[in-house]
Amino acid sequence: GESVGLHLPTLSVQEGDNSIINCAYSNSASDYFIWYKQESGKGPQFIIDIRSNMDKRQGQRVTVLLNKTVKHLSLQIAATQPGDSAVYFCAEIPRLYNFNKFYFGSGTKLNVKP
Amino acid sequence: DSGVTQTPKHLITATGQRVTLRCSPRSGDLSVYWYQQSLDQGLQFLIQYYNGEERAKGNILERFSAQQFPDLHSELNLSSLELGDSALYFCASSVEQGETQYFGPGTRLLVL
Repeated sequence: GESVGLHLPTLSVQEGDNSIINCAYSNSASDYFIWYKQESGKGPQFIIDIRSNMDKRQGQRVTVLLNKTVKHLSLQIAATQPGDSAVYFCAEIPRLYNFNKFYFGSGTKLNVKP
Repeated sequence: DSGVTQTPKHLITATGQRVTLRCSPRSGDLSVYWYQQSLDQGLQFLIQYYNGEERAKGNILERFSAQQFPDLHSELNLSSLELGDSALYFCASSVEQGETQYFGPGTRLLVL
């Protein structure tokens, strides 16, 4: 079935390095994507979003890249900090019907080593 | 703080029992979503309401039901509880359908 998944279940980086978290999606009709961060024991927190009419969007220390040709989404975190340690989910939101196809993958756990 | 509140934070109950989880969306948000997150699992979409009406169903069991009230708060009812129902239950809200969802802190349910 249609799903949103992640390539790497765990990513370890050194503090100060840049992090890249990847996500593959399968629904080519989707036009809105969101990255969420979930810290241990907390609910997912919105980080950044991007619509399908864009290839790149930047926030504070984060950048999301969207490659619709290969249905790939990535989250780049600059100068990764210990506070960035969390599980990161990408989510796909179709504009039309079937909101039950709004899937989160199992997530990528980011470990930031001091 | 996302502005979405959920109560209770923790719930311990026994198999066969029934519980009700409550969610208050962000002020102005019309859409409410419920998710289940089991240990080391991703978020599983359960059900969505928009302005009091059910709009979408995901992998929600027949033992589970939900509703959204006129004041827009929502309740998720879980009945005939089984051990496997132990999980984190999250509520999220958005201004409109398909817009960014803001998540509450979750309710941790433990069925013994």
